[in-house]
Amino acid sequence: KNEVEQSPQNLTAQEGEFITINCSYSVGISALHWLQQHPGGGIVSLFMLSSGKKKHGRLIATINIQEKHSSLHITASHPRDSAVYICAVTWNSGGSNYKLTFGKGTLLTVNP
Amino acid sequence: KAGVTQTPRYLIKTRGQQVTLSCSPISGHRSVSWYQQTPGQGLQFLFEYFSETQRNKGNFPGRFSGRQFSNSRSEMNVSTLELGDSALYLCASRRLGTYEQYFGPGTRLTVT
Repeated sequence: KNEVEQSPQNLTAQEGEFITINCSYSVGISALHWLQQHPGGGIVSLFMLSSGKKKHGRLIATINIQEKHSSLHITASHPRDSAVYICAVTWNSGGSNYKLTFGKGTLLTVNP
Repeated sequence: KAGVTQTPRYLIKTRGQQVTLSCSPISGHRSVSWYQQTPGQGLQFLFEYFSETQRNKGNFPGRFSGRQFSNSRSEMNVSTLELGDSALYLCASRRLGTYEQYFGPGTRLTVT
């Protein structure tokens, strides 16, 4: 079964701390997505990557294709970063398969 | 550029009724995917449409159906509603040939 595992499930940090959320997946992928969802809110796409590393402001996403692992880092965390972070993948199954399979999400709480 | 829009944003129905949800993709995006989010199951893929044809379907009963119009707008329908259908229903659009998906704000359906 194709699976996406995220860790940790819950993470509490103090403002200013460096945060890391991990995602591992079971088989080859075409793309990996990091998504953000605030309580009661919709989903925002933070990054889509298939190799290497991407950076946007205080957020950094990396992926290691050989190890089937990705990390999302938040530098200098802030209370407004409090949200659920979700890892999702598009499996490399050929054809026209673009559907997303999701991890269970990481609930991040950043305290002032 | 306007984002993905979904209507209605909130809906309350009773068991046995049916419901239709609407999604308008970003201009130029011809693919629309639907996802269900529940506390127990997390985010799950329902189906994807482009060129007015269902291209991929998740593991949901036949009570869940959808369609897409020539202007790429999509609707999903759930018939004979069950309590377990209470969820946030999200649609996402993408440009054909790309993997990045853009999510709408969701429709929160409550079945009583």
